[in-house]
Amino acid sequence: QKEVEQDPGPLSVPEGAIVSLNCTYSNSAFQYFMWYRQYSRKGPELLMYTYSSGNKEDGRFTAQVDKSSKYISLFIRDSQPSDSATYLCATTGANSKLTFGKGITLSVRP
Amino acid sequence: DAGITQSPRYKITETGRQVTLMCHQTWSHSYMFWYRQDLGHGLRLIYYSAAADITDKGEVPDGYVVSRSKTENFPLTLESATRSQTSVYFCASSPGLNSGNTIYFGEGSWLTVV
Repeated sequence: QKEVEQDPGPLSVPEGAIVSLNCTYSNSAFQYFMWYRQYSRKGPELLMYTYSSGNKEDGRFTAQVDKSSKYISLFIRDSQPSDSATYLCATTGANSKLTFGKGITLSVRP
Repeated sequence: DAGITQSPRYKITETGRQVTLMCHQTWSHSYMFWYRQDLGHGLRLIYYSAAADITDKGEVPDGYVVSRSKTENFPLTLESATRSQTSVYFCASSPGLNSGNTIYFGEGSWLTVV
């Protein structure tokens, strides 16, 4: 079992839809959780960062972590065509090495 | 602010040739990483470095060599390139993944081995 599992997609939604992206992880030592966004032919860039369980909101984006079930989620409200990208979840413990999910490609249709 | 730069951005090489991908960061971050990204596998860690002269293997190190004589540079060498090493390579750096820090990626180097 990989340490981080992510739904492979791809995912296509109409503009304005609420998008839910999910990952699960297996290592209970993981305590830092991130979502990266990667546009085509670009490097990943940090979108959201959370520490331990709970929710974090930034504009249209909400990151949610449930450590009891080892579940990581990213919600995008009022999705826009500019949100079309690949989204990668990532997590780490104290060793400064990130473990990534495989990523899911999101397409938002105008 | 240049951040983290990779070169070359695009490279085509022949099987058996030695190839070096360069990575330079201007933030003086302690940690540097090399990932490869392939369809169906996502990002996989090749090597990482916690400081100058300290390197360690990641998930897929075979066929690659790294060095870190200076904090700002972290070159990745494919000693004898194989077709299976055709991939997109991302260099990244971080001050350390605790206390709210994260990892910052370069723009990628697209390598094709023919």
